Amino acid sequence: DTGVSQNPRHKITKRGQNVTFRCDPISEHNRLYWYRQTLGQGPEFLTYFQNEAQLEKSRLLSDRFSAERPKGSFSTLEIQRTEQGDSAMYLCASSFLPGGWYEQYFGPGTRLTVT
Amino acid sequence: AQSVAQPEDQVNVAEGNPLTVKCTYSVSGNPYLFWYVQYPNRGLQFLLKYITGDNLVKGSYGFEAEFNKSQTSFHLKKPSALVSDSALYFCAVRDIRADSNYQLIWGAGTKLIIKP
Repeated sequence: DTGVSQNPRHKITKRGQNVTFRCDPISEHNRLYWYRQTLGQGPEFLTYFQNEAQLEKSRLLSDRFSAERPKGSFSTLEIQRTEQGDSAMYLCASSFLPGGWYEQYFGPGTRLTVT
Repeated sequence: AQSVAQPEDQVNVAEGNPLTVKCTYSVSGNPYLFWYVQYPNRGLQFLLKYITGDNLVKGSYGFEAEFNKSQTSFHLKKPSALVSDSALYFCAVRDIRADSNYQLIWGAGTKLIIKP
């Protein structure tokens, strides 16, 4: 399967713990995005990378959130000291710039439950 | 302010009937418009886009969308609905502000239910 993959698919953690999610984009895509989605809502943009550079971070991304894409391939999203309000689906998407960047290809998401 | 509206939280259609999922937008300049579908427990899948050209855009799974500039709408349509079309549908528009890095502005989604 050459699509976007995310691991784990589900994560249950206790409040205050740290969690890390991984995203593997489509191999030739140079842009990688992280979104958060809560039930019944559209995706909320968190951050994106072009190659290994993190070009934009949403105001939604508090200091407890950090993302990396060290070699311009896979990316990780870490949430420190999780809170119940962090419970959501975390989506990763990738695209190619220039050209077809408009089309973002999404992974299946990682569902985080903070108890 | 730029925005996307999906006025219906849910649309119910009988199998075999035509379906329409509505989307209106508000952006300055020429809009770049998209439809995505999300099946249960799965990620978003790109359906189709309008950038320029023919107002009727054809996409995946037999879906099409009609761009109407005067009504600022981009409704998603399908001539004959299938039960398997039941899913959550999102409309999005590209943010054209200079400092936006062309992020997508998303609608809240419309749940489409196709009844046998």
